[in-house]
Amino acid sequence: DGGITQSPKYLFRKEGQNVTLSCEQNLNHDAMYWYRQDPGQGLRLIYYSQIVNDFQKGDIAEGYSVSREKKESFPLTVTSAQKNPTAFYLCASMRWALRLAGGLNTGELFFGEGSRLTVL
Amino acid sequence: DAKTTQPNSMESNEEEPVHLPCNHSTISGTDYIHWYRQLPSQGPEYVIHGLTSNVNNRMASLAIAEDRKSSTLILHRATLRDAAVYYCILRDYGGSQGNLIFGKGTKLSVKP
Repeated sequence: DGGITQSPKYLFRKEGQNVTLSCEQNLNHDAMYWYRQDPGQGLRLIYYSQIVNDFQKGDIAEGYSVSREKKESFPLTVTSAQKNPTAFYLCASMRWALRLAGGLNTGELFFGEGSRLTVL
Repeated sequence: DAKTTQPNSMESNEEEPVHLPCNHSTISGTDYIHWYRQLPSQGPEYVIHGLTSNVNNRMASLAIAEDRKSSTLILHRATLRDAAVYYCILRDYGGSQGNLIFGKGTKLSVKP
């Protein structure tokens, strides 16, 4: 079945260590997103990518990095520069990217099951 | 991107209808209204979306005000499985699709 897979589901990290969260989708979606969610809070956008080899910063990009070398993959690295990385991380994808020449965008985001990162 | 305002929480009884409101007074002409819901410890899932006309699907109905400055998600018969956080967001189809803003949403509790 098609969908988005995030791994690992739970991750523990020591302070000062970088960690990479995986996000893979087999939906052939153009756009992919990373969100952070803290307890009792909404989702905040970290990074997003509309096409391969291109990505943009969201509202809280500091201390994070991403890459988009393949359409189906959008890994997120939480660096040691992120001062408070303990959170629930959600990856999402969307069917069509809005192209410069115009295009159809269904707008439905598909989310993974999330990765819960705890810094010890 | 335009922002939305939702009540922090709502309660409902099982088998009764639920009306979840959302205000979006700064909505632009190219913004679609989308609703998602998030069950505990899971990623959000799409519920419904619309532009101007009311919309129905198997999960819910979406009622959009004539001036589009507010909308209401309607669950016709709440079940215990509908207990979740419901997010109302705006999607701009006319420009950049990048920054999708999720607020805190409305936490719906359903009592048996």
